[in-house]
Amino acid sequence: AQSVSQHNHHVILSEAASLELGCNYSYGGTVNLFWYVQYPGQHLQLLLKYFSGDPLVKGIKGFEAEFIKSKFSFNLRKPSVQWSDTAEYFCAVTGATGGGADGLTFGKGTHLIIQP
Amino acid sequence: KAGVTQTPRYLIKTRGQQVTLSCSPISGHRSVSWYQQTPGQGLQFLFEYFSETQRNKGNFPGRFSGRQFSNSRSEMNVSTLELGDSALYLCASSSDRMNTEAFFGQGTRLTVV
Repeated sequence: AQSVSQHNHHVILSEAASLELGCNYSYGGTVNLFWYVQYPGQHLQLLLKYFSGDPLVKGIKGFEAEFIKSKFSFNLRKPSVQWSDTAEYFCAVTGATGGGADGLTFGKGTHLIIQP
Repeated sequence: KAGVTQTPRYLIKTRGQQVTLSCSPISGHRSVSWYQQTPGQGLQFLFEYFSETQRNKGNFPGRFSGRQFSNSRSEMNVSTLELGDSALYLCASSSDRMNTEAFFGQGTRLTVV
């Protein structure tokens, strides 16, 4: 069975600090990888996704993530965070074959708090 | 265009009752997935429908069921409610079968007392 592990459950940073959130997955096949964000009181939104090609993907709001196949990792980064980045961040994986019928497998999430 | 709409937003039920939640996907989307979100277990996949057919189901008991209509709207039903079913139930829609990008609704907050 596939699984996703997010190493940091709570992260507190000051504005302008750099961010890296870890994500490792376990899946016996080719994967599609995602980072979703849930701002307070809002629905889950897609930050970025990786299907194939360049392992460094750029998403919205200055976020990027790097897929390292040998490490089964898909870490999220942002060079300089803002107070508005305070949110819950979820890493997710689904199989690249099978038509996505196995749904998204999510990590437990990282609660990020940015202090002004 | 309108996003994924889930109704109702909040629901309080008693143990042993059943409940039906509704999800209207983004217009043109044919894939609808359901997820349960709890503080302890996080986000867990319930099931996925495409063109009125359930394609897969997560590791949940048979009390959890769903269906999809010809207009792609979906409902999920939970029978014989237990306290542990209290959760945020999220619906997501996607334009294709690969779930290349899933758009989520605000969710239905179910409280079982």
